[in-house]
Amino acid sequence: DQQVKQNSPSLSVQEGRISILNCDYTNSMFDYFLWYKKYPAEGPTFLISISSIKDKNEDGRFTVFLNKSAKHLSLHIVPSQPGDSAVYFCATENSGYSTLTFGKGTMLLVSP
Amino acid sequence: AAGVIQSPRHLIKEKRETATLKCYPIPRHDTVYWYQQGPGQDPQFLISFYEKMQSDKGSIPDRFSAQQFSDYHSELNMSSLELGDSALYFCASSSTSGAPNTDTQYFGPGTRLTVL
Repeated sequence: DQQVKQNSPSLSVQEGRISILNCDYTNSMFDYFLWYKKYPAEGPTFLISISSIKDKNEDGRFTVFLNKSAKHLSLHIVPSQPGDSAVYFCATENSGYSTLTFGKGTMLLVSP
Repeated sequence: AAGVIQSPRHLIKEKRETATLKCYPIPRHDTVYWYQQGPGQDPQFLISFYEKMQSDKGSIPDRFSAQQFSDYHSELNMSSLELGDSALYFCASSSTSGAPNTDTQYFGPGTRLTVL
């Protein structure tokens, strides 16, 4: 059973607009959440993270929002750029174990 | 900045052969993780090591073994290879030092294993 779900396999956005990627999780023991970006033939690249004691973390164009009651997090990219086109993985961690559980990824395409 | 290094980047083996994948973590990182990503799948955690000791174990087959050496590099040994072992194998490393982004896992480029 998939504990981390990214229900949108793909997302298309125009350059300059906001990209919103969503992620839902089922295990309430998860207390650390990360987003990774992955280009073809490369490993996942860490983007941004948030711990369960916060509901928002911002780093430049990237903001992650966490809604613990809904077990939902989202990644906002604004403004979106063509170089952001990649697969985005949501990952969660139970700090007692420090292993990551990934979603299946959302392919973001930002068109000029 | 130095990143996680994995070798080889590509490996082709026949069924029932063995394979060894190597991972060199970011300098001063003390924890190494191995993940397997099958076609169209999300990365699945296999095993991790902290300070040369196994720390966590995931869905790693009994045919696979791994270890972390005194220089913190790690090797994943895979025996009696099966067609279903064809996948991308990622190594990640992290640090427990207390610096910013402690415990954040940084991934290598992966090794693509093809079993024929």
